[in-house]
Amino acid sequence: EAGVTQFPSHSVIEKGQTVTLRCDPISGHDNLYWYRRVMGKEIKFLLHFVKESKQDESGMPNNRFLAERTGGTYSTLKVQPAELEDSGVYFCASSQGPTGVETQYFGPGTRLLVL
Amino acid sequence: AQSVTQPDIHITVSEGASLELRCNYSYGATPYLFWYVQSPGQGLQLLLKYFSGDTLVQGIKGFEAEFKRSQSSFNLRKPSVHWSDAAEYFCAVGSYNQGGKLIFGQGTELSVKP
Repeated sequence: EAGVTQFPSHSVIEKGQTVTLRCDPISGHDNLYWYRRVMGKEIKFLLHFVKESKQDESGMPNNRFLAERTGGTYSTLKVQPAELEDSGVYFCASSQGPTGVETQYFGPGTRLLVL
Repeated sequence: AQSVTQPDIHITVSEGASLELRCNYSYGATPYLFWYVQSPGQGLQLLLKYFSGDTLVQGIKGFEAEFKRSQSSFNLRKPSVHWSDAAEYFCAVGSYNQGGKLIFGQGTELSVKP
């Protein structure tokens, strides 16, 4: 069974540009999470989808970030326009059950560098 | 405020030596506790988790962790470290009423000397 995949693995963009990150969860996993790790800091929660609905988006930094999960399958996270402080590693994770405390399976992350 | 503290940013141990990675948490609800490991180029892999019951939990790769409520700690241990254990280790906390949202510590990077 394929794990969580993320694309691209790396992205280097200039300040003011737009970047879209994609996450493909494990097939059948209703729960999808986005996290971010800024260099030198802890991994921080961004948001949680249950199927196509946003269950919790309390961690989204500001309205430059837009997450979608059309059809309840893959998810995209768009940053527009990107700022220097958006640099970091963006992780996606998925889990199967409804309670939210089942094991979360993480992807390898997308390393974003904003210059 | 809810938080997880991993006091050691970087630890170096000799191969074959024992290992203990510290984790302390501050959390209002009944915590669920996790240890993840990230090897270079890989995603985070779950080592073990504690929800309830026996406070000593066994995980993969020979790791174990002990939940101590009185000390708000969930330290990770391994009796004999292998070179392949070199990686970054993350402690995390969640709860049922948080819908799976995990709060992570800053991570501990483990180096293994031959």
